[in-house]
Amino acid sequence: DGGITQSPKYLFRKEGQNVTLSCEQNLNHDAMYWYRQDPGQGLRLIYYSQIVNDFQKGDIAEGYSVSREKKESFPLTVTSAQKNPTAFYLCASTPGSSGANVLTFGAGSRLTVL
Amino acid sequence: GENVEQHPSTLSVQEGDSAVIKCTYSDSASNYFPWYKQELGKRPQLIIDIRSNVGEKKDQRIAVTLNKTAKHFSLHITETQPEDSAVYFCAASRRTYKYIFGTGTRLKVLA
Repeated sequence: DGGITQSPKYLFRKEGQNVTLSCEQNLNHDAMYWYRQDPGQGLRLIYYSQIVNDFQKGDIAEGYSVSREKKESFPLTVTSAQKNPTAFYLCASTPGSSGANVLTFGAGSRLTVL
Repeated sequence: GENVEQHPSTLSVQEGDSAVIKCTYSDSASNYFPWYKQELGKRPQLIIDIRSNVGEKKDQRIAVTLNKTAKHFSLHITETQPEDSAVYFCAASRRTYKYIFGTGTRLKVLA
């Protein structure tokens, strides 16, 4: 599982708690992404970052926050404002050059709210 | 808005038979179409992709065809094997940072 490392693999959260999912890549990719995966639905974009210290909201950013202080790292915080956070979260990266690029995914983190 | 429709949602085939999964996209400016395979609890992995300047691409038992006029692309798996059982996702993109995914097809190859 080289390339992109996500942790933890499984996480349980009580309602009202914030949790942070880690994503680290050693591919020297410029761009990083967070997707949410729910059963029967396609991957939905939460946030993405093209360069260090910059990030943009995706289609379902409400209740989530991110930071990009280092090129290698793009952690996702699921806040208590996210109403239905139970899901499988996937981090991904691309080289970031112009034009469409191949997404490389991490192994995912499964969050369950108790 | 932009979307990608994927069919069927589930597909069962006998080992050795062929499987075909179809996707239709709405953004006519899309120019990159990857297919991902995701085994249970694992990461999606790219299995094949095609760009809009090509009509067909093949890699051993896997092929993808693209019809830009109809905004339609398909994944073809021949001589299916039990290890082909997984969920397959298509996607369409016209620039980095913007990928629209289909809802996935669960393929079961019956031995």
